[in-house]
Amino acid sequence: AQSVTQPDIHITVSEGASLELRCNYSYGATPYLFWYVQSPGQGLQLLLKYFSGDTLVQGIKGFEAEFKRSQSSFNLRKPSVHWSDAAEYFCAVGAGGSNYKLTFGKGTLLTVNP
Amino acid sequence: GAGVSQTPSNKVTEKGKYVELRCDPISGHTALYWYRQSLGQGPEFLIYFQGTGAADDSGLPNDRFFAVRPEGSVSTLKIQRTERGDSAVYLCASSVDYTSTDTQYFGPGTRLTVL
Repeated sequence: AQSVTQPDIHITVSEGASLELRCNYSYGATPYLFWYVQSPGQGLQLLLKYFSGDTLVQGIKGFEAEFKRSQSSFNLRKPSVHWSDAAEYFCAVGAGGSNYKLTFGKGTLLTVNP
Repeated sequence: GAGVSQTPSNKVTEKGKYVELRCDPISGHTALYWYRQSLGQGPEFLIYFQGTGAADDSGLPNDRFFAVRPEGSVSTLKIQRTERGDSAVYLCASSVDYTSTDTQYFGPGTRLTVL
């Protein structure tokens, strides 16, 4: 069965600083990978997804992620964080090479200091 | 356009009671999903509908949980004989169709509290 590990429960960065959120997955075949963001009172919003092709994926709100098969990782990055980026971030993997049955990590809570 | 909506936003019930949680998917979306998010955890898959039929209900924790989608649009998640461990946020999502590249759009969730 597939699994997702987000090693950092909580990260604090200063506004304007760069950000990297870590995600490691376990899955036997080529995974379908996703990053979602969840703000208080809001539904999960898809930031970006990887299915195949270019391993560097661009998403919304200036986020990008890089798929590294050798490290089983799909880390999320942003060069300059804005206060509005404060939220909880979830990495997810699609089961069986499909995306309907997403397995999520436990999330990383991002705090942005002014 | 309108996103996925879920009602109620909050539901408080007593142990042993029956509850229904409603999901209105994005108009025209044929695939619908239910997830459960416990405190401090990521969402966990419960069930997936393609049209009116449940294509995969392997995530339902036990037979107290049941979901329907009779007309292929609105879905209701039903929980019988609620237990305190059922307390969680129940999330609904929909996608245009089930293909491997479709994006799941999530609703804001229903927070269920079982006293």
